[in-house]
Amino acid sequence: EDKVVQSPLSLVVHEGDTVTLNCSYEVTNFRSLLWYKQEKKAPTFLFMLTSSGIEKKSGRLSSILDKKELFSILNITATQTGDSAVYLCVLYNNNDMRFGAGTRLTVKP
Amino acid sequence: DTGVSQDPRHKITKRGQNVTFRCDPISEHNRLYWYRQTLGQGPEFLTYFQNEAQLEKSRLLSDRFSAERPKGSFSTLEIQRTEQGDSAMYLCASSLEEVYEQYFGPGTRLTVT
Repeated sequence: EDKVVQSPLSLVVHEGDTVTLNCSYEVTNFRSLLWYKQEKKAPTFLFMLTSSGIEKKSGRLSSILDKKELFSILNITATQTGDSAVYLCVLYNNNDMRFGAGTRLTVKP
Repeated sequence: DTGVSQDPRHKITKRGQNVTFRCDPISEHNRLYWYRQTLGQGPEFLTYFQNEAQLEKSRLLSDRFSAERPKGSFSTLEIQRTEQGDSAMYLCASSLEEVYEQYFGPGTRLTVT
């Protein structure tokens, strides 16, 4: 069965720290890997990764996909309290979306 | 507000009752998705529509669940004979042609007592 495993499940850091969230998968055939940030209710889209080895950046967030080793990481530098959320890793293939359980990040002032 | 809206935001019902949720997608989005999220889990895909056509249904969508999008705009999700295991957050999302970059609504939290 296809699996998407995120680690750690939860993480507590202080403002200014840098964090790395991990997503490993056992999915035989997928089109893209997506990262979402979920605060309170609905997930918001962060990144879509399709090609291996190409880093995507958005402000303090960056992400990269390694299709050979079957993982992706999401980096957040200079964390802020507003980064506190659950970060979801999602594998997408032809409208089939496989979600990880998420990493709960708490950033303390 | 031109985002995805859902109604109601919260619903408490007794086991065995029927419930119906509504989702209004972003107006120009032709794809609409329903997800279910339980505590500690990521959202699980239930079904999606391309315009008014329901193109895919997850095995999670039992016979008690039915979704419609009659005119290709808003959608309804009905759960018949609710069970306690149906208690969850029901999320709706919409997108343009590609399924990535979905825009989610605030969700409807269902509690079955």
